[in-house]
Amino acid sequence: AQTVTQSQPEMSVQEAETVTLSCTYDTSENNYYLFWYKQPPSRQMILVIRQEAYKQQNATENRFSVNFQKAAKSFSLKISDSQLGDTAMYFCAFRGSNYKLTFGKGTLLTVNP
Amino acid sequence: SAVISQKPSRDICQRGTSLTIQCQVDSQVTMMFWYRQQPGQSLTLIATANQGSEATYESGFVIDKFPISRPNLTFSTLTVSNMSPEDSSIYLCSVEGSYEQYFGPGTRLTVT
Repeated sequence: AQTVTQSQPEMSVQEAETVTLSCTYDTSENNYYLFWYKQPPSRQMILVIRQEAYKQQNATENRFSVNFQKAAKSFSLKISDSQLGDTAMYFCAFRGSNYKLTFGKGTLLTVNP
Repeated sequence: SAVISQKPSRDICQRGTSLTIQCQVDSQVTMMFWYRQQPGQSLTLIATANQGSEATYESGFVIDKFPISRPNLTFSTLTVSNMSPEDSSIYLCSVEGSYEQYFGPGTRLTVT
């Protein structure tokens, strides 16, 4: 079974600064997908970024980028130029060959003005 | 992407009763999932619902407690049966898209 670990229950950052959220996972599969989802107080799950395991290049979406280290089974999210609207719970998730998502416990990110 | 709606958005129910949650998608999808998010917790998969077959339940979840229907490719229901306060959670449906899952807005259930 896959496991996803987020070791930072809470983090805070000043507006306009950069913050990195950590995620590690464990799997015996070779082909899989990793995701970061954002859940603001509205509770809507919003996909932030996706990484295919077979791609060596790290995914980037505007201010969001990942550092994917396949051998280390590490998948961190970097948020640049943090904005107040980035305040949310962030979940790291793994999807293997069975299409099921396994989520980490989440990191509550607060962006301070 | 897919647009997903859920009904009801929230409800307060008495213990021992049942609630059926509806999930509607704006396009035909093969795979639908139901998740539970207990207060302050992460999401846990309850079951996978594919049209034309019985739902597949994860460990710790049983059909008698969480019966699921999937009558067509755009709709599914999850029933929470014989509720207890421990069932107070957010219930979310999701669908498999192009290498990612899209989520509904969730149903916040409170059992008193």
